Amino acid sequence: EAQVTQNPRYLITVTGKKLTVTCSQNMNHEYMSWYRQDPGLGLRQIYYSMNVEVTDKGDVPEGYKVSRKEKRNFPLILESPSPNQTSLYFCASSRRGGATGTEAFFGQGTRLTVV
Amino acid sequence: AQSVTQLGSHVSVSEGALVLLRCNYSSSVPPYLFWYVQYPNQGLQLLLKYTSAATLVKGINGFEAEFKKSETSFHLTKPSAHMSDAAEYFCAVSVRTNAGGTSYGKLTFGQGTILTVHP
Repeated sequence: EAQVTQNPRYLITVTGKKLTVTCSQNMNHEYMSWYRQDPGLGLRQIYYSMNVEVTDKGDVPEGYKVSRKEKRNFPLILESPSPNQTSLYFCASSRRGGATGTEAFFGQGTRLTVV
Repeated sequence: AQSVTQLGSHVSVSEGALVLLRCNYSSSVPPYLFWYVQYPNQGLQLLLKYTSAATLVKGINGFEAEFKKSETSFHLTKPSAHMSDAAEYFCAVSVRTNAGGTSYGKLTFGQGTILTVHP
């Protein structure tokens, strides 16, 4: 089954404690991205990757890091989480980044709370 | 830069009534347009997409949307609402974006519209 898998689904952590949210896709997609969803703001792109070892900032990258060492995995790293990073996070993947109208596939989401 | 505006953060309809969710976009180049649905505690899934082949696009679960270039709109409709349609709906635009010598399609989302269906 084609899918994007995120872990964990729910996470409560304390300010300043480093954490990683994993994302894996089994569709051999080149393009992957991370979004955060906040009420009234829709989804905003944090980082994206066009292929292995190629990543770049999205619209709200501050406080986040990513890496793309393998095509299937695209972890999101919060080195020093703060309460304003409390949000619902989604990983997505697609072929060629949707430039030709290609569908993006989304993970189930990770609800992060930073206290 | 592209942008998407969804008019109405909450829409409430009765079961069997027409569903109309509004989306307007801004783009300096021909866009690709999408509607995604998010059911409670789930990720987003594609309802339908416009890729310039036909202005009236039919999607899953009886939804359709019409691309109107003159109005820069891509409103989502369904003739008869069902209780199972209750969800949050997102309109998104994708345009080809150049970065570092390559191009990709960046998705920009609207704010979302929560659809409530009453019995």
